[in-house]
Amino acid sequence: DQQVKQNSPSLSVQEGRISILNCDYTNSMFDYFLWYKKYPAEGPTFLISISSIKDKNEDGRFTVFLNKSAKHLSLHIVPSQPGDSAVYFCAASARNIQGAQKLVFGQGTRLTINP
Amino acid sequence: DTGVSQDPRHKITKRGQNVTFRCDPISEHNRLYWYRQTLGQGPEFLTYFQNEAQLEKSRLLSDRFSAERPKGSFSTLEIQRTEQGDSAMYLCASSRGYPHEQYFGPGTRLTVT
Repeated sequence: DQQVKQNSPSLSVQEGRISILNCDYTNSMFDYFLWYKKYPAEGPTFLISISSIKDKNEDGRFTVFLNKSAKHLSLHIVPSQPGDSAVYFCAASARNIQGAQKLVFGQGTRLTINP
Repeated sequence: DTGVSQDPRHKITKRGQNVTFRCDPISEHNRLYWYRQTLGQGPEFLTYFQNEAQLEKSRLLSDRFSAERPKGSFSTLEIQRTEQGDSAMYLCASSRGYPHEQYFGPGTRLTVT
C-alpha cells in the first residue's frame, strides 16, 4: 500500500511564478514530514521539514504547509528559478520503538521551470 | 567535505556475483539508514543502525543481503548471488536523534547483467 502519494508526476511552471507541489498520506501515525530535491545520478538533497505540531514552516523561498485533518502537505516555492528544476520527493516518518526514523517516500514530482 | 559519502558510485556485475558497498556517514550522526531506489519510484527503506546496532530490517532485505556497521562508524551493505532484480540505486543516509532530517549520500548505482 502506498502510504505517501504524490499524484502529479510532473509540473511545469514559468520562472518567477509560484510552484506548488502536493503530497497526501494515509498513516495517521506519521509525525514528521520532509521534502527532498533530487537531480539525476545524485542522492536526495534535504530541503525543508515540518513536525506534526505545526501547520507551516518557512525557509527562504520554500514553505511547507501541513493539513493534518486532510492528511495533506504541500511545498510552495516562490519565486521559482530555473535551478529549481528537479524531481521533488515528499517523505514522512513515524517514530517506532527502536527509535528508527525510516522515511516513507512518495513517487516524486518532476518540476520544470521554464524561462 | 563533511557530507555522507558512498563508494563505489557505480558497480556493474554479472548475475550470481557478490558485491559490497560502503557508506561513510556524517561523523557526529549516530543513526545510519540504507534505502534502495528503482526507476520512477521514491527511495524504499532497507535497514537502520543506531551506532553499531542494526535495529530494524525491511522485508525487502532478503537473506542475500547483509549490512554491518562495525564500531558505529562506516557501514557496508553486501549482496550475495546478485540477481537482475537487484539493479537499483542504493542510498545511504545519516541523521542525529528523532526527529531530524536525514542527509543522503550520492548513492551507488548497481547494474546486474
